[in-house]
Amino acid sequence: SQQGEEDPQALSIQEGENATMNCSYKTSINNLQWYRQNSGRGLVHLILIRSNEREKHSGRLRVTLDTSKKSSSLLITASRAADTASYFCAKYSGGGADGLTFGKGTHLIIQP
Amino acid sequence: DTAVSQTPKYLVTQMGNDKSIKCEQNLGHDTMYWYKQDSKKFLKIMFSYNNKELIINETVPNRFSPKSPDKAHLNLHINSLELGDSAVYFCASSLRDGYGYTFGSGTRLTVV
Repeated sequence: SQQGEEDPQALSIQEGENATMNCSYKTSINNLQWYRQNSGRGLVHLILIRSNEREKHSGRLRVTLDTSKKSSSLLITASRAADTASYFCAKYSGGGADGLTFGKGTHLIIQP
Repeated sequence: DTAVSQTPKYLVTQMGNDKSIKCEQNLGHDTMYWYKQDSKKFLKIMFSYNNKELIINETVPNRFSPKSPDKAHLNLHINSLELGDSAVYFCASSLRDGYGYTFGSGTRLTVV
């Protein structure tokens, strides 16, 4: 079954506002990763958060992980037009070369 | 400089044909993957491969076969192409399974 469901499916905000995207999953994880995909391009790795971590930062990005609720959030502060993209969370369960399981993604539009 | 390169970028072919997509990474990563992204942007793993083991997603038809001449290459061969094979195919690599992925720019396959 599909793991890593993003919420909302689409989000449109004004430039300068903060954008928050959520991700839920069903089974235990080793780590959870967030990726960005610009239209017509490949995915770009943003942040990896391990199951024993609760929060990580990278520039304007902040990721939280709540393993008790099996959920993660990605916050983009002071959004820019260039942040317009689809954002995916991906779950890694570990224990073998099964790869990452991706969610459906959140399409973020930043209005100038 | 390209870390993960895929060729071709676009592929239009008729039903029943056989085609290959090439992938090369110059990152020295141990593990490579093939993902299929459908029209709704859902990413599904097809194969993962390191220098010891090939893991095949059981839902992938046996018309699809990965071929790895060496650690830096993982090509995808597709026999008897069907309309439903139309999608964007992404190659990716990671240092080890569970680490962040580096994706190629994708190959848009259209079967007519």
